Parts: sequence; structure tokens; C-alpha cells
Amino acid sequence: AQSVTQPDIHITVSEGASLELRCNYSYGATPYLFWYVQSPGQGLQLLLKYFSGDTLVQGIKGFEAEFKRSQSSFNLRKPSVHWSDAAEYFCAVGAASGGSYIPTFGRGTSLIVHP
Amino acid sequence: KAGVTQTPRYLIKTRGQQVTLSCSPISGHRSVSWYQQTPGQGLQFLFEYFSETQRNKGNFPGRFSGRQFSNSRSEMNVSTLELGDSALYLCASRLAGGPTDTQYFGPGTRLTVL
Repeated sequence: AQSVTQPDIHITVSEGASLELRCNYSYGATPYLFWYVQSPGQGLQLLLKYFSGDTLVQGIKGFEAEFKRSQSSFNLRKPSVHWSDAAEYFCAVGAASGGSYIPTFGRGTSLIVHP
Repeated sequence: KAGVTQTPRYLIKTRGQQVTLSCSPISGHRSVSWYQQTPGQGLQFLFEYFSETQRNKGNFPGRFSGRQFSNSRSEMNVSTLELGDSALYLCASRLAGGPTDTQYFGPGTRLTVL
């Protein structure tokens, strides 16, 4: 069965600083990988996804993530954090099934942004 | 275009009762998935429906069931409610249900079981 580990429960950064949120997964085949953001006013939103091809994936809101098969990682990055980025971030791995996938989520990383 | 809508937004039930939650996907979307979010277990996949057929199911007991109608609207039902069923239930829709389609989430239904 697949699993996802987000090692950092909380991360605090200053506005304007760079950000990297870590995600490690366990899955026997080539995974579908996702990052989501959840904030009180916006609900849960897909930031980016990886299925195949280029291992550097660009998403919305200036986020990007890099798939590293050798490290079983899919870390999320942003060069300059804005106060509005404060939210909960979830990494997920999808196991292909029935023409779709079954997602498994990490426990989330809470991002705190200091002015 | 209207987003994913879920009704009701808040619900209070007592143990042993049953509950039905509704989800209306984005117009034209044929895939609807349901998720449960709790502080203890985090985000968990319940099931996915595509063209009125359950395509995938998560690891939940049979008390959790769902269905999808011909207009792609979906309902999920939880019978014999337990305290541990208190959660935020999220619904999400995708266009054609392929894995590369972007998933859009509704605001959720907050269920409290007393």
C-alpha cells in the first residue's frame, strides 16, 4: 500500500523568504503525485500534480515541485513567500486504479508566515 | 461557472442516526470523489463515482455508501452514526475522470455526531 510522509508538522518563514516543504512517498510503481493547499477562506485547492515527463512541475500561485525517484520525494518550493501563503499544505500519492487513482494524503504541514 | 457545491454546510446528528450529504459537481464534470477529514486521521479517500458507477473505494466500513445520479450529482450516506464520524466531508469533481484532470473541491459539510 502507498504512504506519504510530510516530516514537518509546522514551518515558519518570513515574508519574502524562500520555502521548501518536504514530502516522501512509498509506492511500488510510478506514482501520481499531488500538492494541495487548504486555507480557511479558500477550502482545499490543487496546487500542482505530476504524472510523468518533466520532473520539475510548475503549479499555481508561483509554486513548483520536483519529483526525485531516487529519493522517493516530491518537495514543494516557492522562491518568495507571501503572507497569503499561510495555510495547511498536503502532499498526496495516487495509486492507479480503475482508470483513475486512489489518493493517500500526508498529515500536512502548517505554514506560518511572519511579516 | 459555478464551483462544486455541498449541502448542507453544517449538520448535527446523534449516535445511531443516519445522514445523507449532497454534492453538486461543476457543470460538465462526470467524476465525483468524497473525502473525510478529521484531526486524528487526516484526509482520507472515501470513494469515487464516474458516470453513475463507483470506480474506486477507500478503506471505510460498509456504513459509508454513496451514489451518483444521471446529472452527476452525488450523495453519500452514513448509517448508524458513531462519534468518530464527526468530520469535515469534502466532495471534489473532475471533468472526464481521467487521472490527469484537475480536481476541484467543494467547501465541505461539517458533521458533528453527539
